[in-house]
Amino acid sequence: EPEVTQTPSHQVTQMGQEVILRCVPISNHLYFYWYRQILGQKVEFLVSFYNNEISEKSEIFDDQFSVERPDGSNFTLKIRSTKLEDSAMYFCASSAGGHTEAFFGQGTRLTVV
Amino acid sequence: DQQVKQNSPSLSVQEGRISILNCDYTNSMFDYFLWYKKYPAEGPTFLISISSIKDKNEDGRFTVFLNKSAKHLSLHIVPSQPGDSAVYFCAGGYGGSQGNLIFGKGTKLSVKP
Repeated sequence: EPEVTQTPSHQVTQMGQEVILRCVPISNHLYFYWYRQILGQKVEFLVSFYNNEISEKSEIFDDQFSVERPDGSNFTLKIRSTKLEDSAMYFCASSAGGHTEAFFGQGTRLTVV
Repeated sequence: DQQVKQNSPSLSVQEGRISILNCDYTNSMFDYFLWYKKYPAEGPTFLISISSIKDKNEDGRFTVFLNKSAKHLSLHIVPSQPGDSAVYFCAGGYGGSQGNLIFGKGTKLSVKP
């Protein structure tokens, strides 16, 4: 069964460093998303991406964040200068259409120290 | 501003009985709703969805009910099984091509043998 894969599963980084979280969405999906879940809190929407551009982003997704689809298969989230409060589980998701369910990856646990 | 609210952080049910998970929303623009199930250290897994033009959708042991006038939906699991023990997230979706989801905080369901 097709699935969304994320790497790495756990990333530890020093405050102020740049990190890139990687995702391979399901191959025939057109919509891509990043969500995050801070420990003990709800899953929060960060950004959606369609047709090679950001279609919507939340207040969380400030200038420190960027997304890219560098080739036909990968979808990346870059955090330019990490802060302690960026520590969270980051989930990538993809969907076939705008009104269909999103399929989530297993997540990348980001720990900023 | 919580657009999607799950007011019960936890629910405990005996195996074989019915589990009812509740969700309220404030955003009238949502045109579909989804339930996701999440195990620890895994990404959310899609369970069932409902369009805003319907009031009920059923899939095996899972039924979702939507009451638009009350801005309330519920997920019924009958009969409940120990493997259903997980955190259940309600999510609302809207907007043509965006398809991003707004999640509630989740309800932790424990089904006891």
